[in-house]
Amino acid sequence: KAGVTQTPRYLIKTRGQQVTLSCSPISGHRSVSWYQQTPGQGLQFLFEYFSETQRNKGNFPGRFSGRQFSNSRSEMNVSTLELGDSALYLCASSLTASGGNEQFFGPGTRLTVL
Amino acid sequence: QQQVKQSPQSLIVQKGGISIINCAYENTAFDYFPWYQQFPGKGPALLIAIRPDVSEKKEGRFTISFNKSAKQFSLHIMDSQPGDSATYFCAASMGLIGATNKLIFGTGTLLAVQP
Repeated sequence: KAGVTQTPRYLIKTRGQQVTLSCSPISGHRSVSWYQQTPGQGLQFLFEYFSETQRNKGNFPGRFSGRQFSNSRSEMNVSTLELGDSALYLCASSLTASGGNEQFFGPGTRLTVL
Repeated sequence: QQQVKQSPQSLIVQKGGISIINCAYENTAFDYFPWYQQFPGKGPALLIAIRPDVSEKKEGRFTISFNKSAKQFSLHIMDSQPGDSATYFCAASMGLIGATNKLIFGTGTLLAVQP
């Protein structure tokens, strides 16, 4: 079974631009969560989707948004990029949203904002 | 109340020794406590997880000890090997109560196992 796929793996943008990151969950998994990982703040929850509905949102500004498609693939978008948005963005997929399920993480997208 | 405090920040252990990483939480609504292992350039991978109705869970060389009254849990890696050198994260979730997969992560422990 293929694992979680994230594209692109690396991205360089400049301040003020916007970016879209993509995540394809493991086949059959319907829940996708996004996390931001930085050396200073660690791993922080961004949002969680299940069956195209956002179920939970972390404490991030409105510039961070996401969505999930009918095939469970998910995208997250960051608009008006700031230097502090430089991070590893991780996607995790899980079979259901009932909680306590194993979450499988992708390799992440490394975003650098110049 | 949503925080999970993890210590130590870094740990050096000799090959064959026991590595111990500790975590503490405040929110008694947490009901799922996983540990993740992350190698450089990779996403975190689930090692082992426990629920608060169990005081200990063992999987191979990895053991979680859980103390519900103290709101603490720890990861023990027995017979530590150089291949165990990685960053370890504890996490907590209100999975069952909140019907969510949202994880609150600890700050991570960088483990180095010396040969």
